[in-house]
Amino acid sequence: DSGVTQTPKHLITATGQRVTLRCSPRSGDLSVYWYQQSLDQGLQFLIQYYNGEERAKGNILERFSAQQFPDLHSELNLSSLELGDSALYFCASSAEGTSGQETQYFGPGTRLLVL
Amino acid sequence: AQSVAQPEDQVNVAEGNPLTVKCTYSVSGNPYLFWYVQYPNRGLQFLLKYITGDNLVKGSYGFEAEFNKSQTSFHLKKPSALVSDSALYFCAVRDMGGYQKVTFGIGTKLQVIP
Repeated sequence: DSGVTQTPKHLITATGQRVTLRCSPRSGDLSVYWYQQSLDQGLQFLIQYYNGEERAKGNILERFSAQQFPDLHSELNLSSLELGDSALYFCASSAEGTSGQETQYFGPGTRLLVL
Repeated sequence: AQSVAQPEDQVNVAEGNPLTVKCTYSVSGNPYLFWYVQYPNRGLQFLLKYITGDNLVKGSYGFEAEFNKSQTSFHLKKPSALVSDSALYFCAVRDMGGYQKVTFGIGTKLQVIP
């Protein structure tokens, strides 16, 4: 158990809908990362937050957005969902997020199925 | 732009034999390099990382990796494979300078045969 929690574990929704994925980092960790894992794209970095501020951005679609709250939990919002958004979404956390050396601790993931 | 290549989709090895999972990288500066493992229906778990110093890095579960700057490689190794090592292995790289994101490889499935 990494100490990172993600809810929900599974999510089934329809095209065009909007969903919110939630992540609670390990106690004391300031940085949160979001990843999308699919069979054809592999593990894709979406976005990183550090202490409430956006730190780095990856291949995140404009339909997707994220934020990190004062209690350091984070939410990933996916809107206008398409079939291709079906994937496993991971959250990871690290103690800091500015050096590049940090080890990331991954949550168990949220499996999203868009029908 | 930084990139990671894991040239083998799958590696098969007999239990008790040494294993190697290959990784090569490309960054503009000096790299931070990581290996993570993913067991079925689980999140990724950290194995080891290279930051600086000794080119041979030892990590969890008896794994080690050798940083080779001239060949831009960071292969994962273990002297004696266990069936329980069967999993998906990811190599990742981050440029030492700047605010670069971590880039993960596509993953290599390791199958240890009893």
